[in-house]
Amino acid sequence: EAQVTQNPRYLITVTGKKLTVTCSQNMNHEYMSWYRQDPGLGLRQIYYSMNVEVTDKGDVPEGYKVSRKEKRNFPLILESPSPNQTSLYFCASRGTGATSNQPQHFGDGTRLSIL
Amino acid sequence: AQSVTQPDIHITVSEGASLELRCNYSYGATPYLFWYVQSPGQGLQLLLKYFSGDTLVQGIKGFEAEFKRSQSSFNLRKPSVHWSDAAEYFCAVGANTGKLIFGQGTTLQVKP
Repeated sequence: EAQVTQNPRYLITVTGKKLTVTCSQNMNHEYMSWYRQDPGLGLRQIYYSMNVEVTDKGDVPEGYKVSRKEKRNFPLILESPSPNQTSLYFCASRGTGATSNQPQHFGDGTRLSIL
Repeated sequence: AQSVTQPDIHITVSEGASLELRCNYSYGATPYLFWYVQSPGQGLQLLLKYFSGDTLVQGIKGFEAEFKRSQSSFNLRKPSVHWSDAAEYFCAVGANTGKLIFGQGTTLQVKP
């Protein structure tokens, strides 16, 4: 089954304690992206990756890092989390090239609470 | 600037009634437009998409949307709402970097 898998689904942690949210897709997609969802703001892009070792900032990248060492994985790293990063996070992927602008497939989300 | 506006934050309709969710976009080129639905605790599921061609597009679960370039709109419609349609709905435009620009979302409540 084609899917985007995020872990963990829920996490409560404290300010300053480094955390990583993993994202994996099994569709051999080149493009992967992270969004955060906040009430009244919809989803906003944090970082995206066009392919392995190619990443770029989205609209709200401050406080986040990403890496793309393998095609299937795109972890989101919060080096020193702060309460304003409490949010619902989504990973997404889609193909490129002939499938450019095809719909993105979303994971089920990770709810982070930073105390 | 590229943006998407969903004017209605919250809509309540009776089961069996028709539904229209509004979406307006601002985008310089020909837009790629999407509607997604998010049920509580779930990810986003694609309802339908518009890339080109026929301006009336059909989606899953009985939804349809009409692209109107002159009004910069892409409204979502359903002729008869079911209780299971209660969810949050997002309109999005696909930018040339590949990212999706989302509207703020519309929460749909269905009265029995």
